[in-house]
Amino acid sequence: AQKITQTQPGMFVQEKEAVTLDCTYDTSDPSYGLFWYKQPSSGEMIFLIYQGSYDQQNATEGRYSLNFQKARKSANLVISASQLGDSAMYFCAMREGPNSGYALNFGKGTSLLVTP
Amino acid sequence: DTAVSQTPKYLVTQMGNDKSIKCEQNLGHDTMYWYKQDSKKFLKIMFSYNNKELIINETVPNRFSPKSPDKAHLNLHINSLELGDSAVYFCASSQDRLAGIHEQFFGPGTRLTVL
Repeated sequence: AQKITQTQPGMFVQEKEAVTLDCTYDTSDPSYGLFWYKQPSSGEMIFLIYQGSYDQQNATEGRYSLNFQKARKSANLVISASQLGDSAMYFCAMREGPNSGYALNFGKGTSLLVTP
Repeated sequence: DTAVSQTPKYLVTQMGNDKSIKCEQNLGHDTMYWYKQDSKKFLKIMFSYNNKELIINETVPNRFSPKSPDKAHLNLHINSLELGDSAVYFCASSQDRLAGIHEQFFGPGTRLTVL
């Protein structure tokens, strides 16, 4: 069963606007971590932001913030003031406890296109 | 100073051949991984190694054999390559600890094309 669901295969946003990329997850492990990675067309995986399951506050990193709603099991990424360079694939991922070997389960990704 | 490096970056080979991809990390991390990204961009864990010991082996054909000579290296050897093995393979590493961020640092990827 898919543990991470990203329902938006593709998204468009105009430059300088904010955009929300959706992510829902499924786990019975009380301790887990949620990650967002960016993959530009050049192919590298770039870490953006992390949210731990016990963190009380939503994570923020510059223009990135994570809207963590634990009861809904959602971890949406918000990018404020979009830039052309934000055009890329965005992956939501979850790490469960030690028994999972700390491996990441990835969603299928959302392709974001920022237009001028 | 590359944190996680992989060689080669591109690998084109014929069906049936045996090939290896090398991975090295200079971050002092305990845990290393191999992920496969298919043509639809889906990333899936293949193997996880902690301190040179295999932790996870997902449903990967036994033609794939990871080898970890030391904590800093995790190589991937593939026997009898098939067309379906064509993909981008990412090596990653993270620090294994009980608390805190377990950010995984990814290598640049190796694009394998099997003809």
